[in-house]
Amino acid sequence: DSGVTQTPKHLITATGQRVTLRCSPRSGDLSVYWYQQSLDQGLQFLIQYYNGEERAKGNILERFSAQQFPDLHSELNLSSLELGDSALYFCASSAPGLAGGQSEQFFGPGTRLTVL
Amino acid sequence: ELKVEQNPLFLSMQEGKNYTIYCNYSTTSDRLYWYRQDPGKSLESLFVLLSNGAVKQEGRLMASLDTKARLSTLHITAAVHDLSATYFCAVENTGNQFYFGTGTSLTVIP
Repeated sequence: DSGVTQTPKHLITATGQRVTLRCSPRSGDLSVYWYQQSLDQGLQFLIQYYNGEERAKGNILERFSAQQFPDLHSELNLSSLELGDSALYFCASSAPGLAGGQSEQFFGPGTRLTVL
Repeated sequence: ELKVEQNPLFLSMQEGKNYTIYCNYSTTSDRLYWYRQDPGKSLESLFVLLSNGAVKQEGRLMASLDTKARLSTLHITAAVHDLSATYFCAVENTGNQFYFGTGTSLTVIP
């Protein structure tokens, strides 16, 4: 158990709908990362937050948004869902690394999203 | 965009043998990560390499980073069945974005 929790574990929804995925980082971790894993695209970095602020943005679609709350949990919002959004969504957390560098990431169990 | 190439994509090896997985990337970076993923599971961090010449070892796995060659290797020594998994490398660019390789599916045969 990495200490990172994600809910829900599975989500089945229809095209055009909107869903929210939730992530709680390990206690004490300030950074949260979101990733998408699919057979077509492989593993893709979506976005990173550090202590409530957006730190880096990757291949995140405009239909997707995220935020990190004061209690450090994060939510990933996916809207106007398409069939191609079906994937595993992972979040990860990490503590500040030495000298500001990145440190080991701990991954949650993931949310499997199926868009029908 | 930073490109990360991993090879081989599939690796079948006998127990007790040694092998190396390669991770090449296209843009200068000194931050490279290795992960393991078991079927149907999440990712597990194996190594964080943060400088040229970095070498880290854990059990039968050893990872190294050559930033000048833009190459990282994951060496497996005396493979055992428990090492069967998919291994990913990921490179972090100066903008703190992460780019993953396609993964190497390793099967260790008794």
